[in-house]
Amino acid sequence: EVQLLESGGGLVQPGGSLRLSCAASGFTFSTYPMSWVRQAPGKGLEWVSTIGGSGVLTYSADSVRGRFAISRDNSKNTLYLQMSSLRAEDTAVYYCAKYHTGWFVGPFDYWGQGILVTVSS
Amino acid sequence: QSALTQPASVSGSPGQSITISCTGTSSDVGAYNYVSWYQQHPGKAPNLMVYDVSNRPSGVSNRFSGSKSGNTASLTISGLQAEDEADYYCSSYTSSSTYVFGTGTKVTVL
Repeated sequence: EVQLLESGGGLVQPGGSLRLSCAASGFTFSTYPMSWVRQAPGKGLEWVSTIGGSGVLTYSADSVRGRFAISRDNSKNTLYLQMSSLRAEDTAVYYCAKYHTGWFVGPFDYWGQGILVTVSS
Repeated sequence: QSALTQPASVSGSPGQSITISCTGTSSDVGAYNYVSWYQQHPGKAPNLMVYDVSNRPSGVSNRFSGSKSGNTASLTISGLQAEDEADYYCSSYTSSSTYVFGTGTKVTVL
């Protein structure tokens, strides 16, 4: 059974940093691209970043490029999102999501339960 | 990258059919057959309902069907049931190798 479990969320001050983790199990982690998707309170889904199976290729949304960095450790079956220079508008539930195939084109067939990040003073 | 455009809300009575539209551009929806649809109940993670325009993952009811014409994709729910009441989001791969979601549609079963 595929499982994705996010951790590392919480309250952080504007300008601060936070690292999210997503522990994966139930599939060959290194085979699949992974993404982070977020959802601000009461708002819609927003794609944040994607990383290829080997960890070499990464893509990010304009809204986070230069501030957030996606990475993975295939030996630990874990996905990360390093967030810095955080802003109030980054407040959201962050989901990690697994791609359906080895291609970047989507869709996301499994999602974690989500972790809340609150940016506030 | 702008979000794909969906109606804010759609409603229908049990047993009826409803259709949700998803309008993008020639750089996303119109460029590829990589449109997906997700169902999200309150407080829950999204659940994949349709992918590659019209394919259903195993376990998803055949009451859910997808299609596309030009820059607009659609999700049709037939035989509407109370459990279908949820938010629905379309999504598409883009020519910039990014991913974009729709604005979301709240489906209400009357």
